[in-house]
Amino acid sequence: SAVISQKPSRDICQRGTSLTIQCQVDSQVTMMFWYRQQPGQSLTLIATANQGSEATYESGFVIDKFPISRPNLTFSTLTVSNMSPEDSSIYLCSVEGEGYTFGSGTRLTVV
Amino acid sequence: AQKITQTQPGMFVQEKEAVTLDCTYDTSDQSYGLFWYKQPSSGEMIFLIYQGSYDEQNATEGRYSLNFQKARKSANLVISASQLGDSAMYFCAMREAYATASKLTFGTGTRLQVTL
Repeated sequence: SAVISQKPSRDICQRGTSLTIQCQVDSQVTMMFWYRQQPGQSLTLIATANQGSEATYESGFVIDKFPISRPNLTFSTLTVSNMSPEDSSIYLCSVEGEGYTFGSGTRLTVV
Repeated sequence: AQKITQTQPGMFVQEKEAVTLDCTYDTSDQSYGLFWYKQPSSGEMIFLIYQGSYDEQNATEGRYSLNFQKARKSANLVISASQLGDSAMYFCAMREAYATASKLTFGTGTRLQVTL
């Protein structure tokens, strides 16, 4: 199965700033998924990123807040823009496959 | 719309005992896949086991087995011979079709605590 390197592993950010999270996969994959896990909650899909096309966002998530880049089949970034304390969460990327491999997660705290 | 229900917010089990974590699902699809993940306090999501809706036999992976009852729409995870390292959050998830390029829908999770 694929191996994903996700960076940063954690960060503490000031409100109003932006953070870009990167995921690098060791093999080519068509679809990448970005999830948010708010404190004590389950995972919620933010968007699905397909190489060469605009990401598809789930209800409640918009591109201006969570722009996604997918420049090739092994890499994607998620930016959390104009952050507020409510954005404090774990953000995880995932790739398709029978087991759906996940990155190690980015634990974001907004102060 | 898909829905995954995990009714046990927390569970305790003694070391070396077996434990069952419940998961029920709701879908109108005939083809779907069911997954279980372990999330330690570090936050990573670790894939444990997979069951396809057309698989006739229950999936097993080492100490993990999935008790799949299609008519009841349940997919319970059984962990045998619990170890202290099994203490974590456990999430049940469903994929809406056999096609791999589909999102996962997660349940709310069960926190398992293994005691001495």
